[in-house]
Amino acid sequence: DAGITQSPRHKVTETGTPVTLRCHQTENHRYMYWYRQDPGHGLRLIHYSYGVKDTDKGEVSDGYSVSRSKTEDFLLTLESATSSQTSVYFCAATRDHSYEQYFGPGTRLTVT
Amino acid sequence: QKEVEQNSGPLSVPEGAIASLNCTYSDRGSQSFFWYRQYSGKSPELIMSIYSNGDKEDGRFTAQLNKASQYVSLLIRDSQPSDSATYLCAVPVRGGGGADGLTFGKGTHLIIQP
Repeated sequence: DAGITQSPRHKVTETGTPVTLRCHQTENHRYMYWYRQDPGHGLRLIHYSYGVKDTDKGEVSDGYSVSRSKTEDFLLTLESATSSQTSVYFCAATRDHSYEQYFGPGTRLTVT
Repeated sequence: QKEVEQNSGPLSVPEGAIASLNCTYSDRGSQSFFWYRQYSGKSPELIMSIYSNGDKEDGRFTAQLNKASQYVSLLIRDSQPSDSATYLCAVPVRGGGGADGLTFGKGTHLIIQP
């Protein structure tokens, strides 16, 4: 499992509240990613990080922010959750430029 | 935005037969290609990567790449019920070695019938 954990694994929150999802890795991966997976859309890249404090936007970054203050943790924040952000969120990581990404177990987020 | 196309299925294959999964991609410049397997309710698992034209074999899995036709496929020999899953094809978002993430197809749902 490449030493990747996500927390929480399940969360229900109300529209308009802030939410932070955490991805933690223990294998010194340099690159980390956040994806969301929705029926009919597949996996889509939200944000990624190429080092501590180095992040960039992906395909569906609107409404999301990220932070990476240390190698092992990559946080995804929904500043004001909306129902359209109900999804399964996956964190992934890779050590190098190979693009061979390994995924965490996922977080199922429901925004009511 | 790069596009990756897969037939959503379901693709039903008898146990012991060869399952053939196909993927086409829009960017002729793509250099790396990946197949992930995802069981229902689980996270994607990398099963094959291929970078050069031709075939790459790993156990019962063979990945085939044809860059001229912008086509990549995954063959599963001696299919087992445990192979029943959704298979995702992916290519780098931009490539160039920047590790900037993957663009995924929507996946093909494979069912192996005992």
